[in-house]
Parts: sequence; C-alpha cells; structure tokens
Amino acid sequence: KAGVTQTPRYLIKTRGQQVTLSCSPISGHRSVSWYQQTPGQGLQFLFEYFSETQRNKGNFPGRFSGRQFSNSRSEMNVSTLELGDSALYLCASSLTGGQNSPLHFGNGTRLTVT
Amino acid sequence: KQEVTQIPAALSVPEGENLVLNCSFTDSAIYNLQWFRQDPGKGLTSLLLIQSSQREQTSGRLNASLDKSSGRSTLYIAASQPGDSATYLCAPEYGNKLVFGAGTILRVKS
Repeated sequence: KAGVTQTPRYLIKTRGQQVTLSCSPISGHRSVSWYQQTPGQGLQFLFEYFSETQRNKGNFPGRFSGRQFSNSRSEMNVSTLELGDSALYLCASSLTGGQNSPLHFGNGTRLTVT
Repeated sequence: KQEVTQIPAALSVPEGENLVLNCSFTDSAIYNLQWFRQDPGKGLTSLLLIQSSQREQTSGRLNASLDKSSGRSTLYIAASQPGDSATYLCAPEYGNKLVFGAGTILRVKS
C-alpha cells in the first residue's frame, strides 16, 4: 500500500509570492491534516480536513489556507510569503481522524523563502 | 494552553541499553497519544498509539505507557540498537489535532 505522497519535495520561493503544496493520502483514508515544522517552533498544527470539510484549524494567519478534493487529495496554499514561512510542511492522513485512527505522515515539502 | 514537554531533550547511550523517554502534557482531555520517530530530513513514522482508555501498548522492543490523569506517558525501548537513533516525538491528540513535544534526540552508539 502506497504511503502519503507529498509534492514537490523542495521549493524555493521569493517573499511576496504564493505557493501551493499537494498531498495524496493513503488509499481509503478520508482525513488529511497539515503541520508546519520549524527549528524554533517545532511541529504545529495547521488544519484538518475530512470529506472536503475543514474540521479544525490551528493558530495561523489567513494567508495559510487549504482544501480537500472528493478523492481525499489535499492542497495547502500560502499567499504573500514571508521569510518566516520557511519550514518543512508535513501532511498526514488517517482513516477517519477519530480516536482510534493513527496518523501516517508523508516525507514533507521543504519550503525555503528568500 | 495545551503544552507537551519531553525529557530528556537528548540522550546518548551505548548499544544494548534499555532506555526510557518521558512525555508530560498539561491538558489531560486527550483522545489518544501517539509516539513517533523522525529521521533527519524525513517525515514522521508512527510507532505506537495508545487510546485514552488504555494503560499501555507494546510493539516489538517498544512499550509505551499512559497515565492520563497525571498527564504522563513514557516510551520504553529495550536493547537499543544503532538503528534506533532518531528523534522521538510524543503527541497527544485533541479533537483531530496533535500537539507535539519538542522531541528527544536519541543516539545509540555501536
């Protein structure tokens, strides 16, 4: 069974630009979550989607947005990029996102903002 | 505020030692708790998931315990090997959201 796939693996963008990251969950998984990992703040929750609906959102500015498609694939968008957005962005999928449903992570997209 | 603390921050041990990684969390209203490992430049690999109603979970040389009322979990690694070298992360779940600790960096020397 294929794992969680994130594309692209690496991105370099300039301040002020926008970027879209993609995540394909494990087949059959309907919940997709996004996390940001930085050396200073560690791993922080961005948002979680289930059946195309955002169920939970972390404390990030509105520049960070996401969506989920009917095939459970998800995209995350960051507009007006800032230097502080440089991070490893991790996507995770689970069957339901519920209590007994472990999260499975992809290898992440490393975003560098210059 | 939901906070997670992991102790120690780093650990270096000779191969074969048994070791314990500690995790504490401030909000005990968790759905479950997961332990992950992360290798440099990679994503997270799920090691164990303990449901809020469980006391412990085992997988091979790994054993995780959970004391929800006191806000603590421990990960026990038996007979450590160099391949166990990684960062270990504890993450209680609150309503579809994981809150992560800063991790314990483990180095097992051969």
